Amino acid sequence: AQRVTQPEKLLSVFKGAPVELKCNYSYSGSPELFWYVQYSRQRLQLLLRHISRESIKGFTADLNKGETSFHLKKPFAQEEDSAMYYCAVGSGNTGKLIFGQGTTLQVKP
Amino acid sequence: EAGVAQSPRYKIIEKRQSVAFWCNPISGHATLYWYQQILGQGPKLLIQFQNNGVVDDSQLPKDRFSAERLKGVDSTLKIQPAKLEDSAVYLCASSFTGSSGANVLTFGAGSRLTVL
Repeated sequence: AQRVTQPEKLLSVFKGAPVELKCNYSYSGSPELFWYVQYSRQRLQLLLRHISRESIKGFTADLNKGETSFHLKKPFAQEEDSAMYYCAVGSGNTGKLIFGQGTTLQVKP
Repeated sequence: EAGVAQSPRYKIIEKRQSVAFWCNPISGHATLYWYQQILGQGPKLLIQFQNNGVVDDSQLPKDRFSAERLKGVDSTLKIQPAKLEDSAVYLCASSFTGSSGANVLTFGAGSRLTVL
């Protein structure tokens, strides 16, 4: 079955601490992995995708096909990073995404 | 560019009543999606359109849900009759068709449905 698992519902850290939001996936074929973010009172929006291999707002994520993981990392969390983060998996050009249940990141001052 | 527009933003109905949601995607985006997001869960795809044709509706409860995109632009999602478990946020998204953008979805603000 195709599935995305985000094991933590809530991750709470202090400002300046490192952050790692976990994502594991189960997918047949060649998956494309994404992180979407929803800030308070804002729309769900793309944060980053694995094929871009870029850092957005200090966040990076590396696709580990062996462990079927795509964890999101940031070395020093900021208060403005507080939001709901969703990991998603898709394939090729279908456009169909399967989302995880989301992790709330709370960055305390 | 203008974003994905959805209406209404909020709707409260009683069970067995009907409701319709409207979505206008980003201009030029051929692919349109309706997702259902129940509280505490991630979005779940209900239906995907490519222009005015259905690409995937495998998770659409067809006994009560219907959707159309007659002219390949706007789309309407209808629920009739509604059940308590249909309480959720209904998200519309669109994407550019092409190898570089097919999986990059732009979401609307959502329509929050409460069924009493």
